[in-house]
Amino acid sequence: AQSVTQLGSHVSVSEGALVLLRCNYSSSVPPYLFWYVQYPNQGLQLLLKYTSAATLVKGINGFEAEFKKSETSFHLTKPSAHMSDAAEYFCAVSAFPGNQFYFGTGTSLTVIP
Amino acid sequence: AAGVIQSPRHLIKEKRETATLKCYPIPRHDTVYWYQQGPGQDPQFLISFYEKMQSDKGSIPDRFSAQQFSDYHSELNMSSLELGDSALYFCASSLGWGRGQQPQHFGDGTRLSIL
Repeated sequence: AQSVTQLGSHVSVSEGALVLLRCNYSSSVPPYLFWYVQYPNQGLQLLLKYTSAATLVKGINGFEAEFKKSETSFHLTKPSAHMSDAAEYFCAVSAFPGNQFYFGTGTSLTVIP
Repeated sequence: AAGVIQSPRHLIKEKRETATLKCYPIPRHDTVYWYQQGPGQDPQFLISFYEKMQSDKGSIPDRFSAQQFSDYHSELNMSSLELGDSALYFCASSLGWGRGQQPQHFGDGTRLSIL
């Protein structure tokens, strides 16, 4: 079975500061991992994905994530937060076989001017 | 680029009524997924279809049913609606099934409110 755990339901950072959103996964097989962002009243937008290629994955809007098998982690980072980054972020793991997603509980990011 | 289209965007129903939600996947995508997101919660997988056949089933109530049509659009039919069915319902599409590395592309959702 696969699952993800997101530590910290709310994260606040100052504009220009480092963003770090944590995600740990549990999987009995090599996982496929994803980060999605959700703005209010909108759908989920794919930020980036890990599919067993490079362990450091670069996504859109300056975000990146590093897959660490030894730590079963896939944390999302961005060097400098922007006001427009304020949103809800979800980490997801793909089931195997089949590919429905299991989502974490989400982290709400607030960016302080 | 074309995205996943869901209709309607908002729907208000009363208890015990029925509702139908529609999803039009990205062109050439053959797999459709339905998720339910309650207030302040993460999306929960309901059901998926690949090439018009049910491929996976999650926590979908027996009161709900879904299908995928020959043009790959999908409909989620909900009957005997309850207050607890109030949620944001997302449809997502991807190319292929059983290849979990394919990202799912989400629509903007249908917000269902039960009075």
